[in-house]
Amino acid sequence: KQEVTQIPAALSVPEGENLVLNCSFTDSAIYNLQWFRQDPGKGLTSLLLIQSSQREQTSGRLNASLDKSSGRSTLYIAASQPGDSATYLCAVRSNTGKLIFGQGTTLQVKP
Amino acid sequence: DGGITQSPKYLFRKEGQNVTLSCEQNLNHDAMYWYRQDPGQGLRLIYYSQIVNDFQKGDIAEGYSVSREKKESFPLTVTSAQKNPTAFYLCASSTMGQGSTEAFFGQGTRLTVV
Repeated sequence: KQEVTQIPAALSVPEGENLVLNCSFTDSAIYNLQWFRQDPGKGLTSLLLIQSSQREQTSGRLNASLDKSSGRSTLYIAASQPGDSATYLCAVRSNTGKLIFGQGTTLQVKP
Repeated sequence: DGGITQSPKYLFRKEGQNVTLSCEQNLNHDAMYWYRQDPGQGLRLIYYSQIVNDFQKGDIAEGYSVSREKKESFPLTVTSAQKNPTAFYLCASSTMGQGSTEAFFGQGTRLTVV
């Protein structure tokens, strides 16, 4: 059974810092991996999608990497801003279409 | 506007009643998903469907039922058998098969048992 773990559960940083969020998964037979952002009481917003054949994807200040063999992905946020404060979730899609989430990392960026 | 619509946004249910949450998408996506989120927790998969008239149980299907009679719609019924139904429910959809299968989410329904 696929299990997805995110570390740390919570993170607080001063504005301007670069930071890394971690996601690990137990079964490397994945179709793709997706990073999401969730604001309190809201739905999820897709940030980046990495196909299983890709190593990384970039969008603006965000960069996500994927190492399928070791079961790990990282989300790098450059020059963090208070508006980045949210919960970040990763999800892996199996080859059967199931989409499994980690518990999330709650980020606070202090002005 | 293309997207996923969940309704209602807030729902109150008396103990012992069944209640149905609506999820509609106009993205022409084949796959649809239902998740439950408890405070401070990640998302847990309830049911998912990859094609009309077919669906599979997720990790916490007990006390829930779904139907997929149309591609656009995937309603979730929370039955009286669900022991602790108070939670935030999220619906998602995506394409299937080759290429990008990016998942998109609705804004959620918050269900409270009173």
